[in-house]
Amino acid sequence: TQLLEQSPQFLSIQEGENLTVYCNSSSVFSSLQWYRQEPGEGPVLLVTVVTGGEVKKLKRLTFQFGDARKDSSLHITAAQPGDTGLYLCAGVQYSSASKIIFGSGTRLSIRP
Amino acid sequence: ETGVTQTPRHLVMGMTNKKSLKCEQHLGHNAMYWYKQSAKKPLELMFVYNFKEQTENNSVPSRFSPECPNSSHLFLHLHTLQPEDSALYLCASSQDGWETQYFGPGTRLLVL
Repeated sequence: TQLLEQSPQFLSIQEGENLTVYCNSSSVFSSLQWYRQEPGEGPVLLVTVVTGGEVKKLKRLTFQFGDARKDSSLHITAAQPGDTGLYLCAGVQYSSASKIIFGSGTRLSIRP
Repeated sequence: ETGVTQTPRHLVMGMTNKKSLKCEQHLGHNAMYWYKQSAKKPLELMFVYNFKEQTENNSVPSRFSPECPNSSHLFLHLHTLQPEDSALYLCASSQDGWETQYFGPGTRLLVL
């Protein structure tokens, strides 16, 4: 069974602090997506990384795809209460049986 | 209406009931998906439809029966469910493939 492990599962930090969320697998992915889900809503795509070693920035969020395309990280600088939510990574494989696999998520809470 | 809508937002049903979940996308996409999101488990892909044709059934029990009458509408018919089927059921759509999926807000299902 292929798994995407996210860590930490829960994170509660003070506003203004930095944090990193990790997404790891033993499988290689064609691309990796990061979503944020708020209570009562469905996940919303933040970014897709495709190339090994790729780094993408979205304001205070920095996403990196591992060189071997097996892992990814999300770094948030100067966290704000509006960053609170469930962060999900999802790995996509394009092959004879293409599929998408989601990580179990990181629940982030930013205290004012 | 814009984006992906789901009805009902909340549903409580007994194990002998029959109910249906509805999803509608207003984005002109060709692919639609059903996912199950349970507490403490990763988001699980259930069914995939491309151009109204089912292209993936991720070993889902037959008590879940999908229907896709056209590219804009997707249903999930439920019958004789079990308490462990209680979860958030999310619908998503995309133009093609796994990239940039747009999720609906979900239906919170409780099976008693």
